[in-house]
Amino acid sequence: DTGVSQDPRHKITKRGQNVTFRCDPISEHNRLYWYRQTLGQGPEFLTYFQNEAQLEKSRLLSDRFSAERPKGSFSTLEIQRTEQGDSAMYLCASSSSVTDTQYFGPGTRLTVL
Amino acid sequence: AQSVSQHNHHVILSEAASLELGCNYSYGGTVNLFWYVQYPGQHLQLLLKYFSGDPLVKGIKGFEAEFIKSKFSFNLRKPSVQWSDTAEYFCAVMRFSGGYNKLIFGAGTRLAVHP
Repeated sequence: DTGVSQDPRHKITKRGQNVTFRCDPISEHNRLYWYRQTLGQGPEFLTYFQNEAQLEKSRLLSDRFSAERPKGSFSTLEIQRTEQGDSAMYLCASSSSVTDTQYFGPGTRLTVL
Repeated sequence: AQSVSQHNHHVILSEAASLELGCNYSYGGTVNLFWYVQYPGQHLQLLLKYFSGDPLVKGIKGFEAEFIKSKFSFNLRKPSVQWSDTAEYFCAVMRFSGGYNKLIFGAGTRLAVHP
């Protein structure tokens, strides 16, 4: 049984660059979530997909952020024109509509210099 | 504002001591409740969950939590901690909103267990 996987695990970038992260959910899960976690805080909700449809975006998700889930399987989160304040751990979780229990991936740690 | 509060940010215990971590939430209506744990260098793992029924739920590794609706609380307990329980613990509330759900997390409690 494979869990949620995320790639890359670490990303260091310079301010102003674009970055893209990938999440592969548990294969039978139709729901996918992105969260952001900063030091000393719990994860904060960013966005939610049911199959390929993006159903909610947090106000934390500025217009520099975009997420896709083109075929209802893997998802990508892109940050354009990165800022130092974007430095955080980006977490992906998936669930099925049957159990409604979210399982988390290892996260991508972004450092913006 | 709607929130999830974890009362202790850091807890230090000796092995065999009893553990209780507090969690309170400020939402009305139906909620599902979770405790997640993050061991050093590992990702968030589900410890236990409450959806309905018996308000005392048992999770993995000897942990349990009690849902007290009148107090909006979901405290985590373990009678006797081990060094391997050293980790960060997160309480989370799942809110139903417009047909979909999201988790609202507390800030976490970092537990250190000394041998």
